[in-house]
Amino acid sequence: GQQLNQSPQSMFIQEGEDVSMNCTSSSIFNTWLWYKQDPGEGPVLLIALYKAGELTSNGRLTAQFGTTRKDSFLNISASIPSDVGIYFCAGAYTGTASKLTFGTGTRLQVTL
Amino acid sequence: NAGVMQNPRHLVRRRGQEARLRCSPMKGHSHVYWYRQLPEEGLKFMVYLQKENIIDESGMPKERFSAEFPKEGPSILRIQQVVRGDSAAYFCASSPPGGDSNQPQHFGDGTRLSIL
Repeated sequence: GQQLNQSPQSMFIQEGEDVSMNCTSSSIFNTWLWYKQDPGEGPVLLIALYKAGELTSNGRLTAQFGTTRKDSFLNISASIPSDVGIYFCAGAYTGTASKLTFGTGTRLQVTL
Repeated sequence: NAGVMQNPRHLVRRRGQEARLRCSPMKGHSHVYWYRQLPEEGLKFMVYLQKENIIDESGMPKERFSAEFPKEGPSILRIQQVVRGDSAAYFCASSPPGGDSNQPQHFGDGTRLSIL
């Protein structure tokens, strides 16, 4: 099945730095979601986006729904050690009451 | 905790045995989804169920795998005659009724299935 491409695959950053990651698809989605997964746990929802061009923030996190509907971006400002984890984007075609297609993940490691 | 509850958290089976994974959705949620995750990969959709109905099973392997969500009780993902390749983390998610697009799926902590 289709899988979304995320970049970068992994990144090492220093505490306090800003982080940017993106997610691209060959097809259009109507909903974009960003999740964070810690080891041994399930994905936790960070931000949900429902309209092309939409920009939404959740604390230090900001995500955007690309205008082409084929991409999305996540920014984390002033990273802290607990930001460590794997970040997944996910797209849905017909709202969120349908299957999600997940990205390949961006592994974030934060050094002091 | 009113989150999505999955059990067991860890399950070990020998090749040829059956595995049953359970999922209780969040309170008030009537849509359940199952996903599989291999190490170092993203989650892959398997099946979407509502009470007593399979809505989308496009991600389910054609053989040995089945899922149900009965009127009473948890959703069950059943894998018969397990093989080594079934080793993975299986996640359940739930969402409210009505297909409300402003209520995204929330995930449980998964069942880690290991096949000996």
